[in-house]
This record gives sequence, structure tokens and C-alpha cells, in this order.
Amino acid sequence: DVKVTQSSRYLVKRTGEKVFLECVQDMDHENMFWYRQDPGLGLRLIYFSYDVKMKEKGDIPEGYSVSREKKERFSLILESASTNQTSMYLCASRGLHYEQYFGPGTRLTVT
Amino acid sequence: DAKTTQPTSMDCAEGRAANLPCNHSTISGNEYVYWYRQIHSQGPQYIIHGLKNNETNEMASLIITEDRKSSTLILPHATLRDTAVYYCIVRGYNNNDMRFGAGTRLTVKP
Repeated sequence: DVKVTQSSRYLVKRTGEKVFLECVQDMDHENMFWYRQDPGLGLRLIYFSYDVKMKEKGDIPEGYSVSREKKERFSLILESASTNQTSMYLCASRGLHYEQYFGPGTRLTVT
Repeated sequence: DAKTTQPTSMDCAEGRAANLPCNHSTISGNEYVYWYRQIHSQGPQYIIHGLKNNETNEMASLIITEDRKSSTLILPHATLRDTAVYYCIVRGYNNNDMRFGAGTRLTVKP
């Protein structure tokens, strides 16, 4: 079974803090993704990576950066957290048939 | 990507088959049908996908009509743990993005 894990299920941070969300997949997938999910807005793509050290902006990259130093690990960084970044963050990796496997999600609250 | 239409909600009795329909009348020849589900407060889970042939795996079966304008996801013996929102997505094979619509909220009842 494909496994995608995320570093935390719940996280509470203060405004202005730097936040690291980590994602690890164990299927040797080349493509990995970060989304946020908000009620009424569905899934929105923040960034994706198609190879180590490669990244592409998604629909809403502002306020976020990413890092992919190893194939299995894709990190999302909030440089200076703001309250409008309170959300559920979902990491995914893409399989052979373009299906995506998601992690359990990190519910981030910025106060 | 083609637009999909799903019923807002459905109920199913535990142990019975759950049949979830999806209309995708504007699907183009190179677009696949994918199904995912999301149990409350968890990440989405990939279920199955297909192009034009019917597909079956350990979780479900996918029936696609001959004209490919609609499909049905079948959970053969629904359990309470299958209660979730089910999303039907139509997209090109090389499309990286994942856009979920509103989906169908399936409630499996004892």
C-alpha cells in the first residue's frame, strides 16, 4: 500500500511564526503536491514538484515556499504565518496512472 | 477538464451495494474518470479510475457507459466505515491538478 505521511495532524502557531509542514511518501513517486482545503473552496493547489529540487507554483503560492531535497520528502514552508493561512493542508504523491495518494492532513490554526 | 454532476447525498443500508452515479457528458476522448472519497477530517483516498472499460479492484467497481457520458461507482457490500463524501473527477492523463467538486455524501446506515 502507498503510504503518505505528514509530520503533524494538528498544529497551532502564532502570527508571524515560520511554519514547516513535512510530507514523506514511500512509493518512490516523482511527483508530489501540496494543497489546502477550506470549506466551500474545495482543494486548492499551492505547489507541486516533479523531481528533486524542482518545483512549480500552483494556484495559490503566495505566502508559501517548498523544498524537495530528497525524492521521498516534500516540505511546505509558511515564511511568516498569518491568520488567513488557517486551514487543512494536504500532501499528495502521484502514482503511475496519475492517481494521487493523499496524506492524513495537517489542520493548522494560526492565532 | 470535463465538468461532473453528482447527487448531493445518498443513503445506503449496511451490507447492501452502494451505487454512486456521476454524469460527465462533456468528457473528451483522452480524459479518465477517477473516484476518490474523503472521510470526515481525513485526507482524500483514491478509489479507482478508468477510461472506457469497466474496472474492479479490492475497494470498488467502476462502470462506465459505452458513450462515456456517465459512470457508476459500486461499493458491493457497504459498511459503516464507507460513510464519506465521494468525488468523481474527469481529467486528462497528464493533468497534474486535482479539483474536487461538491461530491456525493454517502451515509451508510445500520
